[in-house]
Amino acid sequence: QQPVQSPQAVILREGEDAVINCSSSKALYSVHWYRQKHGEAPVFLMILLKGGEQMRHEKISASFNEKKQQSSLYLTASQLSYSGTYFCGTEIRGSNFGNEKLTFGTGTRLTIIP
Amino acid sequence: GAGVSQSPSNKVTEKGKDVELRCDPISGHTALYWYRQSLGQGLEFLIYFQGNSAPDKSGLPSDRFSAERTGGSVSTLTIQRTQQEDSAVYLCASSLVAGYISGNTIYFGEGSWLTVV
Repeated sequence: QQPVQSPQAVILREGEDAVINCSSSKALYSVHWYRQKHGEAPVFLMILLKGGEQMRHEKISASFNEKKQQSSLYLTASQLSYSGTYFCGTEIRGSNFGNEKLTFGTGTRLTIIP
Repeated sequence: GAGVSQSPSNKVTEKGKDVELRCDPISGHTALYWYRQSLGQGLEFLIYFQGNSAPDKSGLPSDRFSAERTGGSVSTLTIQRTQQEDSAVYLCASSLVAGYISGNTIYFGEGSWLTVV
């Protein structure tokens, strides 16, 4: 039931764009995106609740597809501060307690170089 | 408190010893979660609490792992007879409302780094 994130890692030059995908084999109630810097706590970025919804946090945006099984995170004009590991957390429909906790993907490590 | 507080921040223990990890959630948060993060890995769910009850313990790796929460606030994760594979960061998180987390933000602590030697 763990969502699959892709790519596993990406290296960008400052100012470049990137897309991180999160796919689930099950329909989802919601998707939560977090960023974690090395040695720090994961920090909340945004929640997507509705199919077709798009959200934005600074220059980072995300979408949640209509079938509610996939979300994508879009990083535009990346800044050095965007470096870290990005996790999607999913709230899964149709399983015991699946909607009462987040099941996280394995993460995407983003490195921004000057 | 202002954020989720965990202690100890770092713990080195000998194989076979018991360890206790403590989590103090954000004041007023009714839901509390424990996750484990091994080096370079994702966030592995262990257990969550609604108040003092644990509806879902499905992520606990073995019967050496247990957790309790008292007074609807502080939680303790206990690992008995620690093994080297228990080495990981143990993250605690809390959210305002228990159940149906849609729309509820989960806030993480900085974790307890456990090393079993």
